[in-house]
Amino acid sequence: DIVMTQSPDSLAVSLGERATINCKSSQSLLDRSKNENSLAWYQQKPGQPPKLLIYWASTRVSGVPARFSGSGSGTDFTLTITSLQAEDVAVYYCHQHYSSSYTFGQGTKLEIK
Amino acid sequence: EVQLVQSGAEVKKPGESLKISCKGSESSFNNYWIGWVRQMPGKGLECMGTIFAGDSDTRYSPSFRGQVTMSADKSLNTAYLQWSSLRAADTGIYFCARQKIYGWGSTGWFDTWGQGTPVIVSS
Repeated sequence: DIVMTQSPDSLAVSLGERATINCKSSQSLLDRSKNENSLAWYQQKPGQPPKLLIYWASTRVSGVPARFSGSGSGTDFTLTITSLQAEDVAVYYCHQHYSSSYTFGQGTKLEIK
Repeated sequence: EVQLVQSGAEVKKPGESLKISCKGSESSFNNYWIGWVRQMPGKGLECMGTIFAGDSDTRYSPSFRGQVTMSADKSLNTAYLQWSSLRAADTGIYFCARQKIYGWGSTGWFDTWGQGTPVIVSS
């Protein structure tokens, strides 16, 4: 199985500041046939199912605010939230679909400082 | 917009059997892979496996193979997850999610999620 490791496990950021969440995979997620990285990011708020934010490592889902962005390639990826809003408090997960085990990172809990 | 509606919360005793469901709102449900994702209390997301609703082709994650059975009824646009003998360790919330298909049948991210089915196994 591909192991996905997120850092940090939890993060407290002031309103209006930048939040950065990292995700590292145990092997490259680059799909050479598409020249895209098979990496997605989800947001999960308490009592709700996960919500897809970003796919192909950096493509934002329609309707997701522009303050959310994804970057990275190969084995190292980042989710950045610029100008943190109160409604961004949630747990964030990275997810690989390069292999059919479809593993998730352990999650990063984002709170307001 | 497609929706996935899951069956309601369950409270069971160890050793009992259980089958939970995930119903798609459109007939296109049968053209997608549906994943089952476990979330144990206070923990993260684990993909248990996926099933192609149209022909019931299944892919089990190694940790869950032999522990659960995925099935589908394409005439009902519904996927199922079942246990033959529950354990306390099966307590958690189970989500179904539609998996994006791209290219020549390659599977990708989970773009639509059900609301989750809480399962409590306790004596």
